[in-house]
This record gives sequence, C-alpha cells and structure tokens, in this order.
Amino acid sequence: QSVLTQPPSASGTPGQRVTISCSGSSSNIGTNTVNWYQQLLGTAPRLLIYSNNQRPSGVPDRFSGSKSGTSASLAISGLQSDDEADYFCAAWDDSLNGWVFGGGTKLTVL
Amino acid sequence: QVQLVQSGAEVKKPGASLRVSCMTSGYDFSLYFIHWVRQAPGQGLAWMGWINPHSGGTHYAQSFQGRVTMTRATSINTAYMELTRLTSDDTAVYYCAREVAPHHPTYYFDFWGQGTVVTVSS
Repeated sequence: QSVLTQPPSASGTPGQRVTISCSGSSSNIGTNTVNWYQQLLGTAPRLLIYSNNQRPSGVPDRFSGSKSGTSASLAISGLQSDDEADYFCAAWDDSLNGWVFGGGTKLTVL
Repeated sequence: QVQLVQSGAEVKKPGASLRVSCMTSGYDFSLYFIHWVRQAPGQGLAWMGWINPHSGGTHYAQSFQGRVTMTRATSINTAYMELTRLTSDDTAVYYCAREVAPHHPTYYFDFWGQGTVVTVSS
C-alpha cells in the first residue's frame, strides 16, 4: 500500500485533457513539494514536474502540475499516443523521514 | 552529459547478498546525493535510501534498515547499494537516481540509472 494515493488508471482520446490526482497527508504533500515522474514501458522513470508545478527543460508545456493542501494533480492537455505511460507522484515525508511515492497511474490513450 | 550507468542483471538465491553499482559521469559526483529506488514487478516505486558522495553519510528507509548498505568510491565516481538476506520479495528492478536540491524545500531526482533487474529464486 503506497503512502500517496493515485487512481490506478486513466484514459483519454488524442487531443483531450486528462488529470491524475495524488492524495497525501500533512506530513508529506501538506508540508513539502510534489514531483511527478513519467515511466514509459520498460524504461526508467523520467522527471516530468518538480516543485509542484515546474517543468524541467525539454518537457512540453502540455504537462502541468498543481497542489492544494494535501493533494496534487498532474494535467496533460492535447493528449498524444506517446503520452501512454505510468505516472508517479512523489514527496518527502517528514514523519517517515523518507521519500514516498504514489502507486502509479497507468494512462491509456484510446 | 549527465549519465548514471548501472551494473547488469543479477540472479540470486534466497539468503544471498546483492551489490549493485551506479557509475556516474558528466558532473561533479561529490555535489549531489545518490538515492536508490526499487520497483517490484508490476508495482510502484519504493525508496530505499540515499548516500552523500562527499561525506559518505547515509540515510536508509526504515523498511530496509539492517539489510542495506550504501557506499561510494569517489575515485571512480561510483555509488554502490548492497542488500543482504535476500528473499523472493526482493525481486525487483533497482534504480539509482541523482537528487537535485537547489533550495529548500525543492528536491527532486533529475537523472536516473537504466535500472538493474534482480531476480531472487531458488
């Protein structure tokens, strides 16, 4: 059971906008920033969003992040087939004194 | 360019120990913590701990305390993760990742190794 809670799956058609939620608690998301990682099938995770809503260079502006209270969201607009992947949220947990991850959301582009 | 290259796949017997290496290049090894994260088949990511390459200081996740040891060899810019008393539950892909900490509270993993597949089976 993951400390951060994500829906196991999400889907959309090309061009649509989808959002993926990540729910935590006061000891993790409520206090610290949230990062999002994209994992294509059979590859290592790739940083997608850091510090709640910042995009590393090279990440398209179709990807955006937000945080409110103890929850965070990843939004993907203009969905493309290449976006089909697993998405994980992550945050430092002050109580556990370690990084915690969501269980991952498998995004399917229909 | 920044690269983290891990050692190859391993097959281990229950009760054995495992050592995975993470060879880095393209940046000053001593300036960035290295973290280890594992992913069991079909599962999510589980953080194992970090090592400070500059000091050698470490911090481990509670669930791995007593079984994991992280070390480094600064002369060859390489970090190591050793896990002992392996069971089938340790079958997973193990990743090393570089942590960036530009300012509190911003911390994130910007580069990852390619992963090392570890199978524990009798």
